[in-house]
Amino acid sequence: AQKVTQAQTEISVVEKEDVTLDCVYETRDTTYYLFWYKQPPSGELVFLIRRNSFDEQNEISGRYSWNFQKSTSSFNFTITASQVVDSAVYFCALSERGSSNTGKLIFGQGTTLQVKP
Amino acid sequence: AAGVIQSPRHLIKEKRETATLKCYPIPRHDTVYWYQQGPGQDPQFLISFYEKMQSDKGSIPDRFSAQQFSDYHSELNMSSLELGDSALYFCASSYHSSGTAIYEQYFGPGTRLTVT
Repeated sequence: AQKVTQAQTEISVVEKEDVTLDCVYETRDTTYYLFWYKQPPSGELVFLIRRNSFDEQNEISGRYSWNFQKSTSSFNFTITASQVVDSAVYFCALSERGSSNTGKLIFGQGTTLQVKP
Repeated sequence: AAGVIQSPRHLIKEKRETATLKCYPIPRHDTVYWYQQGPGQDPQFLISFYEKMQSDKGSIPDRFSAQQFSDYHSELNMSSLELGDSALYFCASSYHSSGTAIYEQYFGPGTRLTVT
């Protein structure tokens, strides 16, 4: 069965601190994709990154970086020099290829990040 | 760039009433997904469509139905509404996932449904 666990319910940091959001997933499929989405207080879900199970290269985009480790089934997200605008709920999600490959997302419980000035 | 459009943005209904939510995907996206997000919860997959055919079904109540039309827009119909149906309903669109590729989904702003 597929499952995504974000053990950190809430994280509070002071602006300019670095913060890492953890994501651990479970899947029996060998082909799968992992995603991160941001949900700011306004409510929309904003796509941040997509990573497939065959690509373990870490990725950096500005202040954001992602560390994918298949050995530990983790896909962690780090924000460097956090800013108040980073305050949001962050969701990690998994999509298995499975037999039908419909692309549906299974979300983790989300981590609420509060960045204080 | 064009985004996913959902209407209405807010909807207030009474118990046992019906509601219809509409979704217009990003142009050239052929797959539509519906998710339900309760307060303080993660989005839960309801149903998806590819080329006007249902492609997958999640935890969608029998009181709900959905379809995708020839112009790729989709509608989620909800009947006999219950208080527990109060939630944020998201529509997302993407390119069709096939072979080993699974594409990212882009979400609309959501429809906030309140059942009183």
